[in-house]
Amino acid sequence: SAVISQKPSRDICQRGTSLTIQCQVDSQVTMMFWYRQQPGQSLTLIATANQGSEATYESGFVIDKFPISRPNLTFSTLTVSNMSPEDSSIYLCSAERQGKETQYFGPGTRLLVL
Amino acid sequence: AQSVAQPEDQVNVAEGNPLTVKCTYSVSGNPYLFWYVQYPNRGLQFLLKYITGDNLVKGSYGFEAEFNKSQTSFHLKKPSALVSDSALYFCAVRDSMDSSYKLIFGSGTRLLVRP
Repeated sequence: SAVISQKPSRDICQRGTSLTIQCQVDSQVTMMFWYRQQPGQSLTLIATANQGSEATYESGFVIDKFPISRPNLTFSTLTVSNMSPEDSSIYLCSAERQGKETQYFGPGTRLLVL
Repeated sequence: AQSVAQPEDQVNVAEGNPLTVKCTYSVSGNPYLFWYVQYPNRGLQFLLKYITGDNLVKGSYGFEAEFNKSQTSFHLKKPSALVSDSALYFCAVRDSMDSSYKLIFGSGTRLLVRP
C-alpha cells in the first residue's frame, strides 16, 4: 500500500482568500487524484493530477477555481481559490500505482471558510 | 455511465451479530469493486476489492464481500460485529474498460454497532 500525507490537516480561512493543500506519497505512483467530500456527503472527484501536464477536471470543476500541480511522481498540490463558505469540505488526495488496481487515500484536509 | 447505490443510510447491529452493508452497481464493462471505511476525522481506509476470480473476497479486520454478477451486487459482510466497526462505509466501482482509473463512490452507509 501507499502511505499518503496531506498538509494542512485542517484550516479555517476567510472568504476571498486561497489555500494550497499538499499531498505527498511515500513512493512513486502513476495516478494521483483529488476528491471533495462535502459535509455529510460522499466523495466527488475533482480532477486527476497528471505528472508533467495539465490536470484533467471533472464536470463542474474548473482550473481557475481548483488549480492543481504535479511536478513529480510523488507530490501534488490542490489550490482552492477565491474561497466562499460553499467550499467548506474535506479535500482528499489519493494515489494508485499502475497495475495495482487500488487507490489509497490521504487523511484529508478539513477546510472551513468563514 | 457508472453508478453505485448504497440503499441504507444507516445499519444498526448488536455486537457479536453478523452484519451486512449493501451495495449495487452499474457499469458498461466489467466492474472493479471496492469497499472503504471512514472513521470520524480520518481519511478513507481500503478494506477489500474484487477485480477477478473468486466471487468471495476477504479483506481487513475480518470483513468480506461477495460479488454477484447476476444481481450486480457487492455486499459487505462480517460474521461477528465489533463496537469498533462503527464507522462510515463506502462502496466504489470502476469500469475495467475505463482508462481514466476513475472511482465512482456510493453515498455511504453508517454502521452503528451497539454493545
